[in-house]
Amino acid sequence: EDQVTQSPEALRLQEGESSSLNCSYTVSGLRGLFWYRQDPGKGPEFLFTLYSAGEEKEKERLKATLTKKESFLHITAPKPEDSATYLCAVQARETSGSRLTFGEGTQLTVNP
Amino acid sequence: EPEVTQTPSHQVTQMGQEVILRCVPISNHLYFYWYRQILGQKVEFLVSFYNNEISEKSEIFDDQFSVERPDGSNFTLKIRSTKLEDSAMYFCASSDGGQDTQYFGPGTRLTVL
Repeated sequence: EDQVTQSPEALRLQEGESSSLNCSYTVSGLRGLFWYRQDPGKGPEFLFTLYSAGEEKEKERLKATLTKKESFLHITAPKPEDSATYLCAVQARETSGSRLTFGEGTQLTVNP
Repeated sequence: EPEVTQTPSHQVTQMGQEVILRCVPISNHLYFYWYRQILGQKVEFLVSFYNNEISEKSEIFDDQFSVERPDGSNFTLKIRSTKLEDSAMYFCASSDGGQDTQYFGPGTRLTVL
């Protein structure tokens, strides 16, 4: 069974204070790892897809990296508008229907 | 920018009633999905749909649930006889290909009384 564990559950940062979120996964053959951002009461908003170990993607203050067992979402000099829950999800190569398995998320709060 | 839309945004129903949640996926996408998120919990996969048939479903998606693509633009989730534990946010998603990024709608909050 595919499993995704995210840590920490919650993170409070001061504006400008860089940090990293972790996503550990167990999957029988990774097809893709996805990062989403979710604001309260809204749907997940796509950020990145990573397909193979060593791959990195960047967008503004966010950078996602992937190893064979985990992924990191690095946030550089965050701003209050980066406050949200960040979700990690995996898709297994063997899934017949492209199911995503999500972690519990990391709730990020950036204080001004 | 194309987006997935869902209606209604909030649905309140009595236990045992039937509900239909509606979604308009991104046009030209071929794969469609439903997920749900119980308050305070993680997003859970329900079902995926391609070429007018279910391609995968989870243990949650029992006989009370059904999906349909009644026309070229809509994708619906029906719950035949709602239970209290069906109260959740239901998200529709779509993707161009099976391995491609899934784009999510804003969700329908279902409250079963």
